[in-house]
Amino acid sequence: DVVMTQTPPSLSVAIGQSVSISCKSSQSLVASDKNTYLNWLLQSPGRSPKRLIYQVSKLDSGVPDRFSGSGSEKDFTLKISRVEAEDLGVYYCLQGTHLPLTFGSGTKLEIK
Amino acid sequence: EVQLVESGGGLVQPGSPLKLSCAASGFTFSSNWLNWIRQAPGKGLEWVASINPDGSSTYYPDTVKGRFVVSKDNAKNTGYLQMNNLRSEDTAMYYCARTGFAYWGQGTLVTVSS
Repeated sequence: DVVMTQTPPSLSVAIGQSVSISCKSSQSLVASDKNTYLNWLLQSPGRSPKRLIYQVSKLDSGVPDRFSGSGSEKDFTLKISRVEAEDLGVYYCLQGTHLPLTFGSGTKLEIK
Repeated sequence: EVQLVESGGGLVQPGSPLKLSCAASGFTFSSNWLNWIRQAPGKGLEWVASINPDGSSTYYPDTVKGRFVVSKDNAKNTGYLQMNNLRSEDTAMYYCARTGFAYWGQGTLVTVSS
């Protein structure tokens, strides 16, 4: 199984600061169709998860451009520029290239 | 508006079966994969099952393979997760999500306890 190692487990940041979350996979996430199926999700407190980014760097509709995704092969990063209060919650990476599909362990973002 | 609404959760005894439903609206259900994901209390997310658009192929992790069966009725715009021989470790919130995990339901809670 592909192991998704997500760091850090938690972050505490002030409004307006920028943060980065890392996700490293135990295998390359480049699929046979040459796409890389790496997603970033946010689970706000008491809510269902919501996808923010798919295929490494493509923003879902309605997601602020303060969010950006980057990376390739086995090393991926989610960056949030100018954190806002609504960004708090737990962020997960999810790989959709290999079965079984696997999630990172999550990064809890708190606002100072 | 895309909507996914899970139902069917509840409290069951170990070894019991339970069937969850996922009612879809606002998109072409027959053209989409359906995924099930669970989250144990206070824990992270775990993929549980996926089914392709026409229902001809299903996929599971080893933790549920042989006990869970995913299906979809495209005429009713509804997906299902039949869970058999439930164990205490199956206790979780169960979510359905469509293709690419772009949209998720609100979840239904399954508690397995004697």
